[in-house]
Amino acid sequence: NAGVTQTPKFRVLKTGQSMTLLCAQDMNHEYMYWYRQDPGMGLRLIHYSVGEGTTAKGEVPDGYNVSRLKKQNFLLGLESAAPSQTSVYFCASRLSLPRGRDADTQYFGPGTRLTVL
Amino acid sequence: SQQGEEDPQALSIQEGENATMNCSYKTSINNLQWYRQNSGRGLVHLILIRSNEREKHSGRLRVTLDTSKKSSSLLITASRAADTASYFCATDASASKIIFGSGTRLSIRP
Repeated sequence: NAGVTQTPKFRVLKTGQSMTLLCAQDMNHEYMYWYRQDPGMGLRLIHYSVGEGTTAKGEVPDGYNVSRLKKQNFLLGLESAAPSQTSVYFCASRLSLPRGRDADTQYFGPGTRLTVL
Repeated sequence: SQQGEEDPQALSIQEGENATMNCSYKTSINNLQWYRQNSGRGLVHLILIRSNEREKHSGRLRVTLDTSKKSSSLLITASRAADTASYFCATDASASKIIFGSGTRLSIRP
């Protein structure tokens, strides 16, 4: 049971290049999330998904796209990278509980450090 | 803007002392969670407190929740060097997403 994994761990891009970050979880979790973490800013939610085939915008979605074609995978795409997207990106997942129940905890991946020059 | 805000932003204490961190939030919540992040790592869940609970314990951790003041505190007793990390509160603002605060950086001096 690997939990939540992210690939790649590090990446350097030039402005305007594109790339895709992959998040995979083997816990059969319904919900998956992408966050970015900048110094002194905590984690900010980019996009999230409540199930296969569904995605929704978070706090800072501009410049990113996501896809959830398979339940276990959540992809984050940067179509045209900008220096402002230099950050550490974290993926997380959690169980989906029936409406009215308390939320379960989130399980985080190790992060992807992205630098855009 | 972020839902949760931790206070202080940074805290340095002597090993063996207690560490207290506070979190304030803005809207109604279902629950509040605390996470720890070691340098260069992902976040690890520490403890969850539901909106109808006032206090919860887990080992050396004690969490309180005051929904009337929209605030929570995390107390780490008898701190150890291994407790050096950043601590984040997170609120479950809806059924599907959790919003994190900006964190408290805790340093334990030997």
